[in-house]
Amino acid sequence: TQLLEQSPQFLSIQEGENLTVYCNSSSVFSSLQWYRQEPGEGPVLLVTVVTGGEVKKLKRLTFQFGDARKDSSLHITAAQPGDTGLYLCAGGLNAGNNRKLIWGLGTSLAVNP
Amino acid sequence: GAVVSQHPSWVICKSGTSVKIECRSLDFQATTMFWYRQFPKQSLMLMATSNEGSKATYEQGVEKDKFLINHASLTLSTLTVTSAHPEDSSFYICTKTPGSKRTQYFGPGTRLTVL
Repeated sequence: TQLLEQSPQFLSIQEGENLTVYCNSSSVFSSLQWYRQEPGEGPVLLVTVVTGGEVKKLKRLTFQFGDARKDSSLHITAAQPGDTGLYLCAGGLNAGNNRKLIWGLGTSLAVNP
Repeated sequence: GAVVSQHPSWVICKSGTSVKIECRSLDFQATTMFWYRQFPKQSLMLMATSNEGSKATYEQGVEKDKFLINHASLTLSTLTVTSAHPEDSSFYICTKTPGSKRTQYFGPGTRLTVL
C-alpha cells in the first residue's frame, strides 16, 4: 500500500507567522502536486513538481520536491488570513496509463488575524 | 485552464432514494475520470476510476452496485448513489484528465445530504 504521510494535520497560527507542511512517503513519485481547498469547493491545484530537488515559488509559497522524489514540503512566509484552507499533497505514479494520485490526509490551516 | 462542472452542487434527499450526480468537462474531452468522496476537513478518498467506453474500476471497499458510474461520453460522466442512506452523506468530487495528459481537473463538488 502506498501511503503519503502529511503533517501536521491541523495548524492554527497568527497572521504574519511562517509555517511548513510536509508530505513524506517510502514510495518514489513521478510527480507531486499541492492543492488548496476551501469549504464547499473542489481542490485547486497550486503547483506540480516533477524533478528531484526542484523548488518552485508562488508568491509567498515555496514548494520543494525531495531529491529522491519521496517527499515534499510547502512553506508559507508571512501567512495571511486568506491562506486559511485545507492543503493537500498528492503523488503521481508513473505506471503505464495509471493516472491515479496518492493523497495525503491534508493539513487544515487556520490563520488568525 | 480546463473547466469541469458538476450538477447539482448540493442535494438533500430522503433515505432510500437514488441520486444522480453529473460531471461535465466543458472545454476538453476526458478519457479518464475519477470520483472521490470527502468528509469534512478530511482528505479525498478515491472511489473509482473509469475510462471512456469501459467499466469503472472501483477501489476496495466501494460497492459498485451502490455507486453506479457511467462514463457515457468524453464530456459527460455520472455517479448514481442508489438507495442512499445517511452514511452516504458526503462531498462528492469528480476529476477528469484530458487525452494523454496527466493533469487532473477538479469539479466544484456536490454536497449530498441524506435525511
